[in-house]
Amino acid sequence: QLQLQESGPGLVKPSETLSLTCTVSGGSITSSDYSWGWIRQPPGKGLEWIGNIYYSGITYYNPSLKSRVTMSVDSSKNQFSLKVNSVTAADTAVYYCARREEVMAGTLEYWGQGTLVTVSS
Amino acid sequence: SYELAQPPSVSVSPGQTAIISCSGDDLGDKYASWFQQKPGQSPLLVIYENGKRPSGIPARFSGSNSGNTATLTISGTQAMDEGDYYCQAWDYNTAVFGTGTKVTVL
Repeated sequence: QLQLQESGPGLVKPSETLSLTCTVSGGSITSSDYSWGWIRQPPGKGLEWIGNIYYSGITYYNPSLKSRVTMSVDSSKNQFSLKVNSVTAADTAVYYCARREEVMAGTLEYWGQGTLVTVSS
Repeated sequence: SYELAQPPSVSVSPGQTAIISCSGDDLGDKYASWFQQKPGQSPLLVIYENGKRPSGIPARFSGSNSGNTATLTISGTQAMDEGDYYCQAWDYNTAVFGTGTKVTVL
């Protein structure tokens, strides 16, 4: 059974870098049938896609965040990661990782439980 | 940038049918997914590829997509169906989520 688990600091200071990791269990991160993504949700608001990464390293980012976002994959640990630099209070959100099913028209079928990141001094 | 619009709220009586719309330019040319989200939980996929249901999702959930509008229909709505619902589609390699609809079962 596939599981995704986000981890990382729950509090980040303004202007610093937010760093999160998603650990995948019950499946391999190296399969070409999938890509791996991050989605966030500010408190009380809707869902915002951040980006996706393939095992090959190919990335696609939300144009509105592209200048501040970096994603990477660590196949040795079956993990993928997110970095958002120069954070502000507007980056406060629950961050979810998810698996995109390439053979199912890009369906985001599996999600992690989410982790709250607060940007505050 | 591509946008998907949903009504902010839908109210429905138990046992009745809830219909949630999702509008976007030529949305019918894309595949739409629908997610249910309850407070404190991560989104749950209830419809993918316009009208397919994942394993474990009740048959009262159905979907369609044509023209500029995708639709999620909940037939025989139950109290447990209360929550926020989001549509989602891919615009080239960018995921776009709808604005979200709060479903209240009165």
